Amino acid sequence: GAGVSQSPSNKVTEKGKDVELRCDPISGHTALYWYRQSLGQGLEFLIYFQGNSAPDKSGLPSDRFSAERTGGSVSTLTIQRTQQEDSAVYLCASSLYLWEMAVSFNEQFFGPGTRLTVL
Amino acid sequence: ELKVEQNPLFLSMQEGKNYTIYCNYSTTSDRLYWYRQDPGKSLESLFVLLSNGAVKQEGRLMASLDTKARLSTLHITAAVHDLSATYFCATGGSNYKLTFGKGTLLTVNP
Repeated sequence: GAGVSQSPSNKVTEKGKDVELRCDPISGHTALYWYRQSLGQGLEFLIYFQGNSAPDKSGLPSDRFSAERTGGSVSTLTIQRTQQEDSAVYLCASSLYLWEMAVSFNEQFFGPGTRLTVL
Repeated sequence: ELKVEQNPLFLSMQEGKNYTIYCNYSTTSDRLYWYRQDPGKSLESLFVLLSNGAVKQEGRLMASLDTKARLSTLHITAAVHDLSATYFCATGGSNYKLTFGKGTLLTVNP
């Protein structure tokens, strides 16, 4: 079946412009996550959605970052007034709660990412 | 704050050799995930470990979890070039939020 898709795959913008990044999760996955991966760094958690609500926005680095999810499906991450330090790969993941040996877990499936470059 | 440390961060090995990547985490967690990332690609799930003593194997890779020691290992047996990639471990104190290690860049040389 189709995996997580993200668009655009690459985005080059000028400092101060706004950008929107899109994520289409795997159909039926109720949870959706945004991460940021900077060069040589691990993954930094940004925000988590369960359905359309975002119980945890703690990872958003500043109020220039916002995200929404509609219809329990597509999500958009918006960065306003972009800065050079926002340059990174933005990864989206989705998951279902699964059970194995009576233990719940949420294996996350990642999209290909959007490489954002702020000039 | 949950911290996840991997070592080594860089690993260059010859084909046919064995090696182990270590993943230590700072607070109690009984879910540990291993991912693989090829250059320019996204993350691919390799293993999900859900209990103390869990061991899973896929091909030349074997992952294990010791929740008492807060340690997971990813063992590579008789490495081949196709295993060259960056390997991440991740864990979470809650069901949804994962904290990732910085990754281990593995290069397997002929």
